[in-house]
Amino acid sequence: DIVMTQSPLSLPVTPGEPASISCKSSQSLLHSPGHNFLNWYQQKPGQSPHLLIYLGSTRASGVPDRFSGSGSGTEFTLKISRVEAEDVGVYYCMQVLQTPPYTFGQGTRLEIK
Amino acid sequence: QVKLVESGGGVVQPEKSLRLSCAASGFTFSSVGMHWLRQAPDKRLEWVALIYYDGSHEFYADSVKGRFTISRDNFKNTLYLQMNSLRVEDTAVYYCARDVCGGDCFWGPDHWGQGTLVTVSS
Repeated sequence: DIVMTQSPLSLPVTPGEPASISCKSSQSLLHSPGHNFLNWYQQKPGQSPHLLIYLGSTRASGVPDRFSGSGSGTEFTLKISRVEAEDVGVYYCMQVLQTPPYTFGQGTRLEIK
Repeated sequence: QVKLVESGGGVVQPEKSLRLSCAASGFTFSSVGMHWLRQAPDKRLEWVALIYYDGSHEFYADSVKGRFTISRDNFKNTLYLQMNSLRVEDTAVYYCARDVCGGDCFWGPDHWGQGTLVTVSS
């Protein structure tokens, strides 16, 4: 199975400051026709996960543009340009490369300083 | 809007069975692949199973293969997860989710239900 490794596991951020989460996969998630099969999810306290980014860099419907995804192959990054209090929660990367099983990273807990 | 409502969770003894249901609305259920995922207490999310839009293909995580069966009724807009030979380690909140792509394409879950708790304990 593809192993997903996130860092950091805990991320204290001051409101208004940027934040960045790294996700590395044990094998390349790049597949034809040039898509990276990597998604980012946000799980707020007490809620279900919510899709932020799919195919590495495409924002899901309704997601604010301060969230962005980048990277290719085995290294990916989720960036929040200006963190807001409502962004508190756990962020997961998930690989969805072709044949299941799909796998998640350990999660990164974002907290407000 | 897209709505997914899971039901059927509860407390069950090891080796017993349970069937989860997921009622879908707000989209063309018969055109989209569907997933089951779970989250054990204080653990990372785990993908469990997926089924094609027409029910023609299913895939499972190794941890549930041979014990769980995903199915769907496109007339009732409902997704199911039949769970047999349950183990203590199957204790988790179970979520159904729609795939963000359509047809026989899978790009990962987008809309998730609120989840239903399954507790396996003697």
